[in-house]
Amino acid sequence: QKEVEQNSGPLSVPEGAIASLNCTYSDRGSQSFFWYRQYSGKSPELIMSIYSNGDKEDGRFTAQLNKASQYVSLLIRDSQPSDSATYLCAVKKDSNYQLIWGAGTKLIIKP
Amino acid sequence: GAVVSQHPSWVICKSGTSVKIECRSLDFQATTMFWYRQFPKQSLMLMATSNEGSKATYEQGVEKDKFLINHASLTLSTLTVTSAHPEDSSFYICSVPGLAGVDEQFFGPGTRLTVL
Repeated sequence: QKEVEQNSGPLSVPEGAIASLNCTYSDRGSQSFFWYRQYSGKSPELIMSIYSNGDKEDGRFTAQLNKASQYVSLLIRDSQPSDSATYLCAVKKDSNYQLIWGAGTKLIIKP
Repeated sequence: GAVVSQHPSWVICKSGTSVKIECRSLDFQATTMFWYRQFPKQSLMLMATSNEGSKATYEQGVEKDKFLINHASLTLSTLTVTSAHPEDSSFYICSVPGLAGVDEQFFGPGTRLTVL
């Protein structure tokens, strides 16, 4: 079992709809969770961070964390073609700086 | 977030030569930097953790004699790919942790290495 799992996709969503991206993790002691967006040929860009159970909203993005079920999700409202990218889930397990990365989900927003 | 630069953004070299990639933290001092490698259509793979003033910590399976890391100052870490071969062709990205107490990592723009 991978430490951080994501569906590789591609996930195709019509423009204007809600895109839902999911991530599960294996270490129940994980404390910090991150969503990064990576455009093709570019480096990852931090979208959201979440540390406690529940929802965290930032503009069109909402991160949801459920530690009991060991999953974290990212919702993108009013999806735009510019949201088309690969979304990487990352989890910080312990006290050092290292992040454990998922393989990423490719999101395609169709006009 | 932190501002990170990398140089060069892309490089093409002949097999057997060495290539140096620079990673700079532009707006704060970083005692730790990370080096990642990403092959096409794959996720990030952590290669090593660069520590200012001390030896880098390499991940399992990464040859420390092939991927030389030097973190000589609080704003600069370098990765040297020695005796590069075509299989070393990849996208190399460095990252910097945020300020103390912040867990995020901020990435440089990456360096695309092609070894002929």
